[in-house]
Amino acid sequence: DVKVTQSSRYLVKRTGEKVFLECVQDMDHENMFWYRQDPGLGLRLIYFSYDVKMKEKGDIPEGYSVSREKKERFSLILESASTNQTSMYLCASNRAYSNQPQHFGDGTRLSIL
Amino acid sequence: AQKITQTQPGMFVQEKEAVTLDCTYDTSDQSYGLFWYKQPSSGEMIFLIYQGSYDEQNATEGRYSLNFQKARKSANLVISASQLGDSAMYFCAMRDLNAGGTSYGKLTFGQGTILTVHP
Repeated sequence: DVKVTQSSRYLVKRTGEKVFLECVQDMDHENMFWYRQDPGLGLRLIYFSYDVKMKEKGDIPEGYSVSREKKERFSLILESASTNQTSMYLCASNRAYSNQPQHFGDGTRLSIL
Repeated sequence: AQKITQTQPGMFVQEKEAVTLDCTYDTSDQSYGLFWYKQPSSGEMIFLIYQGSYDEQNATEGRYSLNFQKARKSANLVISASQLGDSAMYFCAMRDLNAGGTSYGKLTFGQGTILTVHP
């Protein structure tokens, strides 16, 4: 079974802090994704990566950056956290050039105080 | 740009009855895929069913089936014989299968429908 692991289920940080959300997958997937989920808005894509050190902006990249130094790990970085970044963050991965679904982690509920 | 619309914020169904969750999509692409995911209150996203735009038959997976009407651009999820454990948020999503000649697998999601199954 594919396993996508997010480092924290719940996280509380303060405004202005630099926040790291980590995601690791164990199925050698090329593609990895970060979404945020807000009520009434569904899931919105922040960033994705299709290879090591490669990244592409999604629909809402402002205020975020990402890092992919190894194939299995994709990190989301909030450079200076703000209260409007309080949300549920979901990481996903899938194999390139296939119709396979994305496999998701359990999500991180991030609160910025 | 792709767009997914789920017009039902909430749905209620009696246990053991069937329920249909609506999903319409908008795309100019000829080759695309449609997915349904379930998200229980615990938060994880569970893949349920997939339909490719060129698939001639409606997809089925156990109690889940997809009513795919390409001309109407709709991909409704049908859950038969509802169970209490089906209570969850359900998301419809679409993927462009020809993004720039490669498929990065990016998904566009709808807003979701909360399904409540009553005993």
